[in-house]
Amino acid sequence: EAGVAQSPRYKIIEKRQSVAFWCNPISGHATLYWYQQILGQGPKLLIQFQNNGVVDDSQLPKDRFSAERLKGVDSTLKIQPAKLEDSAVYLCASSLRLGQSTYEQYFGPGTRLTVT
Amino acid sequence: GNSVTQMEGPVTLSEEAFLTINCTYTATGYPSLFWYVQYPGEGLQLLLKATKADDKGSNKGFEATYRKETTSFHLEKGSVQVSDSAVYFCALGSSIQGAQKLVFGQGTRLTINP
Repeated sequence: EAGVAQSPRYKIIEKRQSVAFWCNPISGHATLYWYQQILGQGPKLLIQFQNNGVVDDSQLPKDRFSAERLKGVDSTLKIQPAKLEDSAVYLCASSLRLGQSTYEQYFGPGTRLTVT
Repeated sequence: GNSVTQMEGPVTLSEEAFLTINCTYTATGYPSLFWYVQYPGEGLQLLLKATKADDKGSNKGFEATYRKETTSFHLEKGSVQVSDSAVYFCALGSSIQGAQKLVFGQGTRLTINP
């Protein structure tokens, strides 16, 4: 079974530029998550999708971050304009959802963003 | 809100030493508890989990017991190997609208020397 795919793996941009990250979850996984992991910290949830609807985006800085999951499969996370403090690893994860049961989250390898 | 506090790192041990990484949590309700591991250059992987008080999760020689009275979920291994070198994250999970929400600790970097 293929895992969660993310691209690019690394990105270096200047502040005020824009950047986009792509995630392809495990086939059949209805729930998709984006996390931000700043160096030396644990991952922090940015946004959670159930199919193509947003379940939780309470910690997403909506003035500069946006995310979409068209057709309930792939997802894109965008930052515009980027700030120095956005330098981090952006992790995508996915999980099954069947009825009211919850399942393990599977993580992709992440995209390391450096803002200079 | 929910939060997780982990033992400060980094931790350096010799091969075959006993490992403990402390984790305590603050939560409302009855969360599930997890340990995730991140090997160099790889994504986060679930190591073990416990879904209710007094449950013990175990995998690859690692163990952790869900202690509600002390709000703890300490990770232990009796004899570590060089291949256990990684960053370990304690996490708390709660269900919202049928989907799991995870809150992570800050991570503990473990290095095992031969």
